[in-house]
Amino acid sequence: EDQVTQSPEALRLQEGESSSLNCSYTVSGLRGLFWYRQDPGKGPEFLFTLYSAGEEKEKERLKATLTKKESFLHITAPKPEDSATYLCAVQAPRNTDKLIFGTGTRLQVFP
Amino acid sequence: EPEVTQTPSHQVTQMGQEVILRCVPISNHLYFYWYRQILGQKVEFLVSFYNNEISEKSEIFDDQFSVERPDGSNFTLKIRSTKLEDSAMYFCASSENAEQFFGPGTRLTVL
Repeated sequence: EDQVTQSPEALRLQEGESSSLNCSYTVSGLRGLFWYRQDPGKGPEFLFTLYSAGEEKEKERLKATLTKKESFLHITAPKPEDSATYLCAVQAPRNTDKLIFGTGTRLQVFP
Repeated sequence: EPEVTQTPSHQVTQMGQEVILRCVPISNHLYFYWYRQILGQKVEFLVSFYNNEISEKSEIFDDQFSVERPDGSNFTLKIRSTKLEDSAMYFCASSENAEQFFGPGTRLTVL
């Protein structure tokens, strides 16, 4: 069964304290791995798509990387406005576009 | 920047009543989706829609659910006879390629 596991569940950082969020997946034949940001009471906001092991994408203070079994979202020198829940999702293979989501990592950045 | 919009933002209904949730996808997108998120749980896939027909549906999407694209801009989710367990955030998403862009959601509360 296709599964996505994110860790940690929650992370508290001081402003400027860099860290990484983990997304482990078991999918037979990954078509794509997606990172989203979700603010409370809002819809997921698209951040990155990764397709193959070794791929990296960057946007401001965020960098996403992918291996054959997991993805990391690195946050460099975070600011309070980076506080949100970060969701990882995988797209299963074959004739399906559905996204399978993890439970997310709730990030809080304190000034 | 184009975005997915959803109405209403919050819907309160009595158990057994019918509800229709509305979405306006991004205009040049061809693939449409509904997901739901029960409070504190994962985002779950409900249904995908392409070329005026359902392309895939989950086990959750039983006979009480239906989707429709009544015109060139709207995409709707109907729940015929709501149950208490249908209380959740419902998200519409649309895509042109792999990346799915989500709307802000409709919070459905079934009393």
